[in-house]
Amino acid sequence: GESVGLHLPTLSVQEGDNSIINCAYSNSASDYFIWYKQESGKGPQFIIDIRSNMDKRQGQRVTVLLNKTVKHLSLQIAATQPGDSAVYFCAENSAGNFNKFYFGSGTKLNVKP
Amino acid sequence: EPEVTQTPSHQVTQMGQEVILRCVPISNHLYFYWYRQILGQKVEFLVSFYNNEISEKSEIFDDQFSVERPDGSNFTLKIRSTKLEDSAMYFCASSELGGEGDTQYFGPGTRLTVL
Repeated sequence: GESVGLHLPTLSVQEGDNSIINCAYSNSASDYFIWYKQESGKGPQFIIDIRSNMDKRQGQRVTVLLNKTVKHLSLQIAATQPGDSAVYFCAENSAGNFNKFYFGSGTKLNVKP
Repeated sequence: EPEVTQTPSHQVTQMGQEVILRCVPISNHLYFYWYRQILGQKVEFLVSFYNNEISEKSEIFDDQFSVERPDGSNFTLKIRSTKLEDSAMYFCASSELGGEGDTQYFGPGTRLTVL
């Protein structure tokens, strides 16, 4: 199947700093991407999504950047808070498989007070 | 806020036994999904379900697996003869319309342990 992976398994940041979590994908046909947050003992929680016709999308304190040339996706979290500590996954699907998502292996974000 | 619920939170079973994992999707949602996550590994898509039939499934979802919407509220995943490698967290999700741009809401998961 398609390969979606993460560059860093663990990221530690100081509270208040910005965080950047990266994700690489291999399927050039992927056209829709989602970032999920998973806290311990809970299911994945939608954070933000982006379509392949965009290269940037902003939400509340979060920004997703998409570079289709190098098949790279990043999640930026501004002013990271202790409540942001979790595992973050990117997921993708492609046209024709709208309900079938492929997940990356996850990056654990540790926010130090 | 409406949420997806799953029962049980933890299921322990013997290898070869059948298990049924239960989910109650959000009430006005039409698309339902099962995912699994083996400890320390990525979340893997198993199956999507719409209009009382499977719309997509992965290579993991073999003949040992089945899904059902037995009534208007429950969505179940059955594993007929469990194997050790079926031990994982199983997440149910639902979405209102399905497709791109429609958020999937995940339940808290059922931890399945096969002994």
